[in-house]
Amino acid sequence: DVQMTQSPSSLSASVGDRVSITCRASQGIRNDLGWHQQKPGKAPKRLIYSASTLQSGVPSRFSGSGSGTEFTLTISSLQPEDFATYYCLQNNSFPRTFGGGTKVEIK
Amino acid sequence: EVHLVESGGGLVQPGGSLRLSCAASGFTFSDSWMSWVRQAPGKGLEWVATISQDGSATHYVDSVKGRFTISRDNAKNSLYLQMNSLRTEDTAVYYCARWANLESWGQGTLVAVSS
Repeated sequence: DVQMTQSPSSLSASVGDRVSITCRASQGIRNDLGWHQQKPGKAPKRLIYSASTLQSGVPSRFSGSGSGTEFTLTISSLQPEDFATYYCLQNNSFPRTFGGGTKVEIK
Repeated sequence: EVHLVESGGGLVQPGGSLRLSCAASGFTFSDSWMSWVRQAPGKGLEWVATISQDGSATHYVDSVKGRFTISRDNAKNSLYLQMNSLRTEDTAVYYCARWANLESWGQGTLVAVSS
């Protein structure tokens, strides 16, 4: 099974800050990685797929990069509505596996 | 617009059974792999199962193999998860999602396993 290690598990940031979240895969997964955002009490929503492709309707301040074993989600200028928990998901092989999540909180 | 609506959750005793349903609309259901994902209270996301377009291929997380069965009815645009021999650790919100890469998600249905 592919293990996904996500860091940090939480972070505090201010509106306007640049924020980066990392996921590391235990083996190479090409670019078969997505990023999902979940707000409290709500269903997750996919932001990025294939490591760097923005889902339709997602603001351009979100970006993804990486390939193989190291991936990054970057929010260029944090907005109030971005405070949420973010998860990476590898879809290279079964079983699908998520990172542990990163909770982005207001500083 | 993709629309996924789960139903069938509730309170069940350990060892009991429950069948979840997911009604799909806004896309060609029979063209899409479909998945179930769950989230225990206060915990992260866990992929549970995925089924191919025609149901010929299924995949499960180890912890549910032999107890849960994913299925679909393309004529009814519906996805199902039959859950047997339920354990307290199966308590979670269960989401259905489109494709094996979880392109779109439903709103979830809560399953509580408790005596």
